[in-house]
This record gives sequence, C-alpha cells and structure tokens, in this order.
Amino acid sequence: EDQVTQSPEALRLQEGESSSLNCSYTVSGLRGLFWYRQDPGKGPEFLFTLYSAGEEKEKERLKATLTKKESFLHITAPKPEDSATYLCAVQVEAGGSYIPTFGRGTSLIVHP
Amino acid sequence: DSGVTQTPKHLITATGQRVTLRCSPRSGDLSVYWYQQSLDQGLQFLIQYYNGEERAKGNILERFSAQQFPDLHSELNLSSLELGDSALYFCASSVLAEVLQNNEQFFGPGTRLTVL
Repeated sequence: EDQVTQSPEALRLQEGESSSLNCSYTVSGLRGLFWYRQDPGKGPEFLFTLYSAGEEKEKERLKATLTKKESFLHITAPKPEDSATYLCAVQVEAGGSYIPTFGRGTSLIVHP
Repeated sequence: DSGVTQTPKHLITATGQRVTLRCSPRSGDLSVYWYQQSLDQGLQFLIQYYNGEERAKGNILERFSAQQFPDLHSELNLSSLELGDSALYFCASSVLAEVLQNNEQFFGPGTRLTVL
C-alpha cells in the first residue's frame, strides 16, 4: 500500500529560526511529489513539484529537495506569515490513471 | 483566488439525507478532482473526472457518486449520510489528467458538511 508520512506533526519556531519538514514515502510508480501550503479553513495552495531524486526547487524562504525515499521542505529565516499546514503529496501511476496520495501534514507556527 | 468555485460554502443536514456539492473548475481546465478532509483522516482523494469521463478512483464510498457535465462543472452526490461524513470537501482542477510541472492542481475553497 502506498504511504506518505510527514514529520513532525507540529512545529513551533521563533521568527528567523530555520528548520526542515520531512516527507517520507513508500510507493511504486512515482510520478511526482508535490508540496502544498494550507491555511485554516482554506484549500491547499500549490508550492512545488519534484520529479527526480536530486531535484531542488526554491521559492522565497522555501526550498524543496527530493531523494529516492523522502523529500524535505527547508524553511530559511521564517516569518509569522509562513505559519500554515504544509502538505506533501505523491502521484502514482496505476494502469494509466494518476492517483494522488497526501500525507497528514505538518502544522507550522512561527512566533514573532 | 484559485479560480475554482465551490457551492455551497456550508451545509448542515441530518443523518440519512442526501446532498449535492457543486464545483466549477478554472476556465480551460478539463480535469476535476474531489477530496475529503477530516481531522482524523487528513486529505483523502475520492475521484477524478477528465473531460466528462471518470479517470481515477480513490477511497470513495459506494454511497458517494460524482459526475462531470458537458460544461465541465462537476457534482459530488453524498447519500445516506452518516455522522462520520462530516468533513471539508474540496474540489481541485487542472488542465491535464496528470499533475505535471506547469500543470498543477488548483483547489477550491471547499464545502464544509456537517451531519447532525
């Protein structure tokens, strides 16, 4: 069974304190790993797509990396507005269909 | 604003009832996904339609069904509702059937369903 595990479940940081979120996956037929940001009561907002081990993507204070078994979302010098739940998802090919599987998310709170 | 619209925003109903949730994808998007998000299960993929046809199926109960109409809007029908069906239901859309670089999913604001 395809699995996506995110850690930690919750993370509290002080403004400016850099850290990393982890997403480990056990899937066959991986066709992409995605990171989303979700604010309370709102729909997830797309951040990054990663396809190959070694690939890296950056956007402002966020940097996503991918290995064969896990992905990291690095947050450099976070600000309070970075507080949100960060979701990781994998897309798996199955008989011509593409099935998305999401992790449970990491709830990030950045204190001023 | 993602460009994906969902109605209604909130829905309160009783056990055993049937409801219909509606989603309008972004202009030009052919693919519509439905998800259920609850506190204990996280975001669960239910079903995907592409250009009017069912494309992929996830953890969708037999009491639930969906369809995509010629104008590409989609409806999710939930019947014989149970307390455990209370959740946020999201619709997402993309141009292609596969989420790719430059073909990401855009999520709507969701419908909050409360079953009493």
